[in-house]
Amino acid sequence: GAGVSQSPSNKVTEKGKDVELRCDPISGHTALYWYRQSLGQGLEFLIYFQGNSAPDKSGLPSDRFSAERTGGSVSTLTIQRTQQEDSAVYLCASRLRTVEKLFFGSGTQLSVL
Amino acid sequence: GIQVEQSPPDLILQEGANSTLRCNFSDSVNNLQWFHQNPWGQLINLFYIPSGTKQNGRLSATTVATERYSLLYISSSQTTDSGVYFCAVERSRSNDYKLSFGAGTTVTVRA
Repeated sequence: GAGVSQSPSNKVTEKGKDVELRCDPISGHTALYWYRQSLGQGLEFLIYFQGNSAPDKSGLPSDRFSAERTGGSVSTLTIQRTQQEDSAVYLCASRLRTVEKLFFGSGTQLSVL
Repeated sequence: GIQVEQSPPDLILQEGANSTLRCNFSDSVNNLQWFHQNPWGQLINLFYIPSGTKQNGRLSATTVATERYSLLYISSSQTTDSGVYFCAVERSRSNDYKLSFGAGTTVTVRA
């Protein structure tokens, strides 16, 4: 596609429920990132995928968070047993190769009640 | 990990004024990018500038990698320049492709 697409744009869930957030990167981009941005804060790295290499999961805050990337394209970020502190904007980004410009989607605003 | 410090944290400008935003980083980098996050939350890539100087309209950026800092210049500011400006860096080490972001500079341009 023309840009990075994320869905849903907004998600409201109850504490304890599982949620799935989806990211469609720019076509042909081999690198895909997930970041989290809490209200008024900077960007916190979560996970990184590069081609067929093992993902860098070093930023995932707990084992309730997981992500996969199927076929080197679409990625899904899953949060199990959501907590109120998980409320944030979850941003996906992609780039053609390493050490290249990064392009962001519009994000998913997650609210855990 | 690498530390990224941006200054000032907040900046209020009168329309037409010029300004300079700074980004300091604690390790050698092979990638530095500047982003603008508009009031609706969308992040736009302004510059990919691991070294040297680039210009894009009223914006320009300079990175002095040997001294570990980068500057973003806004000239003749407009209200549409309002938002948060982030600097992001990537360390010069193999197998470490995370971009680490600074806390941002919030710019408000008043008409």
